Amino acid sequence: EVVLTQSPATLSLSPGERVTLSCRASQSVGSSLAWYQQKPGQAPRLLIYGASYRATGIPARFSGSGSGTDFTLTISSLEPEDFAVYYCQQVTGWLRTFGQGTKLEIK
Amino acid sequence: QVQLVESGGGVVQPGRSLRLSCTASGFNFRTYGMHWVRQAPGKGLEWVAIVSRDGGSQYYGDSVKGRFTISRDNSKNTLSLQMNSLRPEDTAVYYCVKENSEYFFDYWGLGTLVTVSS
Repeated sequence: EVVLTQSPATLSLSPGERVTLSCRASQSVGSSLAWYQQKPGQAPRLLIYGASYRATGIPARFSGSGSGTDFTLTISSLEPEDFAVYYCQQVTGWLRTFGQGTKLEIK
Repeated sequence: QVQLVESGGGVVQPGRSLRLSCTASGFNFRTYGMHWVRQAPGKGLEWVAIVSRDGGSQYYGDSVKGRFTISRDNSKNTLSLQMNSLRPEDTAVYYCVKENSEYFFDYWGLGTLVTVSS
């Protein structure tokens, strides 16, 4: 099973700041990685798939990069609605796993 | 628009069974793999199971293997999860999830809460 490790667990930032979240895989997943955003009481929302492709309707301030075992999600300038929990997720054959999440909170 | 509506959640005693259902609409159901993903209260996301487009292949996460069975009925646009030998650690919101053509989760239902408690 591929284990995904996200860092940091929590980030405290202010609106307007730039942020980079990290996701590391225990073995190479190529570009088969996605990022999701989840707000309290809501289902997750797909942000980035294939490591770097923005999903439909996702603002351009969200970008993803990486391949193999190291991936990042960058938000270029935080908006108030971006404070949420972010999960990475990988695809290996039929199996899927999620990282443990990074909580982005308002400073 | 794509809609996924889960049902069947509730309170169940340890060791008992429960069956979840998901009704899909707004897309060609038979052409996409479907999943169940769960989230324990205050915890992260856990992938539970996948069923292939034609229903012929199923795969499971280690924590539910041998106890849960995923299935689909393409004639009725429904996805199911039969959960047997339930444990307190199975308590979670269960989401019905559609995968896109790249095998990522592009649409999620609102979830149904399963509570395993005596």
